[in-house]
Amino acid sequence: DTEVTQTPKHLVMGMTNKKSLKCEQHMGHRAMYWYKQKAKKPPELMFVYSYEKLSINESVPSRFSPECPNSSLLNLHLHALQPEDSALYLCASSQAGGQLYGYTFGSGTRLTVV
Amino acid sequence: GENVGLHLPTLSVQEGDNSIINCAYSNSASDYFIWYKQESGKGPQFIIDIRSNMDKRQGQRVTVLLNKTVKHLSLQIAATQPGDSAVYFCAENIQGAQKLVFGQGTRLTINP
Repeated sequence: DTEVTQTPKHLVMGMTNKKSLKCEQHMGHRAMYWYKQKAKKPPELMFVYSYEKLSINESVPSRFSPECPNSSLLNLHLHALQPEDSALYLCASSQAGGQLYGYTFGSGTRLTVV
Repeated sequence: GENVGLHLPTLSVQEGDNSIINCAYSNSASDYFIWYKQESGKGPQFIIDIRSNMDKRQGQRVTVLLNKTVKHLSLQIAATQPGDSAVYFCAENIQGAQKLVFGQGTRLTINP
């Protein structure tokens, strides 16, 4: 299995809702990532988990809460989002430590906040 | 076709021609680089990578060139096909940093 699977593919949520994005990989990668991508812009890193521990938080607002329950799963919990948070949310995984071989992205979740 | 200016976000080439997409990276400590292709509505797809101890690497119809002196990376696509139409991003890994940093991207359009 050489894929990163993200669910759901599309999500519409209100500003008072709580929702979660899910990401799964079975490549044995021990580093997992969340990126945010606005239209016509490159992906921007949000969080990095290495060996199931949060290693990088790129000053992301607390309304985004990541979780890594095990080495194959990564969640992003969403609460009280703003319309400007609407974007494509991408999950990626890679080998951990040293050079990031095998850095693979999922297809993303298209999030719309209304 | 070639995007000679690194501030040009689009590149149009004729089907069958070769394409050259350029990228300037920011950090001299970057030791690993990846080119990604992103089609509309999809996640970035790995094309080819190169380590900083190399200056050239070839794949199927693609070649990546690395010039560390001027911190420049290029992706050459041979005999472009309609399916090559996409946005192409370069990404760098700064040594010791557990993350990739992406360039602004270039939209490649293949004309029939």
